[in-house]
Amino acid sequence: SAVISQKPSRDICQRGTSLTIQCQVDSQVTMMFWYRQQPGQSLTLIATANQGSEATYESGFVIDKFPISRPNLTFSTLTVSNLSPEDSSIYLCSAMDRALAGYTFGSGTRLTVV
Amino acid sequence: DQQVKQNSPSLSVQEGRISILNCDYTNSMFDYFLWYKKYPAEGPTFLISISSIKDKNEDGRFTVFLNKSAKHLSLHIVPSQPGDSAVYFCAASAQTGANNLFFGTGTRLTVIP
Repeated sequence: SAVISQKPSRDICQRGTSLTIQCQVDSQVTMMFWYRQQPGQSLTLIATANQGSEATYESGFVIDKFPISRPNLTFSTLTVSNLSPEDSSIYLCSAMDRALAGYTFGSGTRLTVV
Repeated sequence: DQQVKQNSPSLSVQEGRISILNCDYTNSMFDYFLWYKKYPAEGPTFLISISSIKDKNEDGRFTVFLNKSAKHLSLHIVPSQPGDSAVYFCAASAQTGANNLFFGTGTRLTVIP
């Protein structure tokens, strides 16, 4: 199955700054996804990142706040912009793994905004 | 609106016994269901899935049961082992392999040696 390397694993950021999270997959994947898990809540899909086109955002998430890049079939970044304490969450990237008929996840980024 | 619900936030089971984790959903369009296991400081790991055309899928010690009429699925682990201690998420989608996965809030399983 695909393996995803996600970094950073954690960060503490000042409010008003931005954090960019990177995910590298060890094989080519068509679709990559970004999720957020706020404390005590379920995983929520932020957006789907397809190579060569703009990301598709879910309701409640906008490109200005969560710009995403997908320059090739093995890499994607998510930037969380203009940070506020409410952005403190775990952010996860994922790729669809057809061999598993499921999804592989990165190890997550724990973001704390102070 | 939580479309996938795991009403038990935690479960403790003796080693060797059966662990049963439950999941309910509200959207009748869901036709593909997955279970993930998550250890601390790691991302969720895919465990087992089931399509709505089946009511049972088995993989070693893990069996998932689907009751479509009740909109309920469960994950059985037998025999439970201490290494199974983790948070288990169920997830559902309205189309196999679709990106719009909906996750439950997870159940923390503790297997007591």
